[in-house]
Amino acid sequence: GAGVSQSPSNKVTEKGKDVELRCDPISGHTALYWYRQSLGQGLEFLIYFQGNSAPDKSGLPSDRFSAERTGGSVSTLTIQRTQQEDSAVYLCASSPFSGGLIGEQYFGPGTRLTVT
Amino acid sequence: LAKTTQPISMDSYEGQEVNITCSHNNIATNDYITWYQQFPSQGPRFIIQGYKTKVTNEVASLFIPADRKSSTLSLPRVSLSDTAVYYCLVGDEGGSYIPTFGRGTSLIVHP
Repeated sequence: GAGVSQSPSNKVTEKGKDVELRCDPISGHTALYWYRQSLGQGLEFLIYFQGNSAPDKSGLPSDRFSAERTGGSVSTLTIQRTQQEDSAVYLCASSPFSGGLIGEQYFGPGTRLTVT
Repeated sequence: LAKTTQPISMDSYEGQEVNITCSHNNIATNDYITWYQQFPSQGPRFIIQGYKTKVTNEVASLFIPADRKSSTLSLPRVSLSDTAVYYCLVGDEGGSYIPTFGRGTSLIVHP
């Protein structure tokens, strides 16, 4: 079946512009996660959705970052007024588990964001 | 949240068994232990998850001692394609947890 998809795969933007990153989770998965991975680094947790609600937003690096999820499916991560330090690969994952259980997370291919 | 410690890197050769140990001294009673594998330019992929003793699947084995303060991922007879970064995660089913992947262990398999 279809896995997690993300779009765009690559995004180059100028400093100060806003960007939207999209994640389509596996159908029926209730949990959705956003991570950020800088070159050579581990994954940095950003935000987690259970259904359409986000129990924990503490991982968002600044108030320029926001995310929403509608219909318990598609999620959008928005970065306003992008800065060069926002350059990274943004990964989305979904899981059929609820309640924050660390079960298997299925990752998408990521969006590589480059801020010039 | 339980903090995990893994070696930064490991080297092995084709056909050998590789064991990667993760320390999680303050693991909580309800915490599970999960391992992921990540290839360059790809998202991580689930390998195995366990709570105690031993878990085995078609890819790997996970050994967890009785005190659960560490766990060992065992990859039998590695090949060049097993070269990747391996992450150990510890967490429970609490409603407010933050998956911490850390920097993982970079495994390089040599011919």
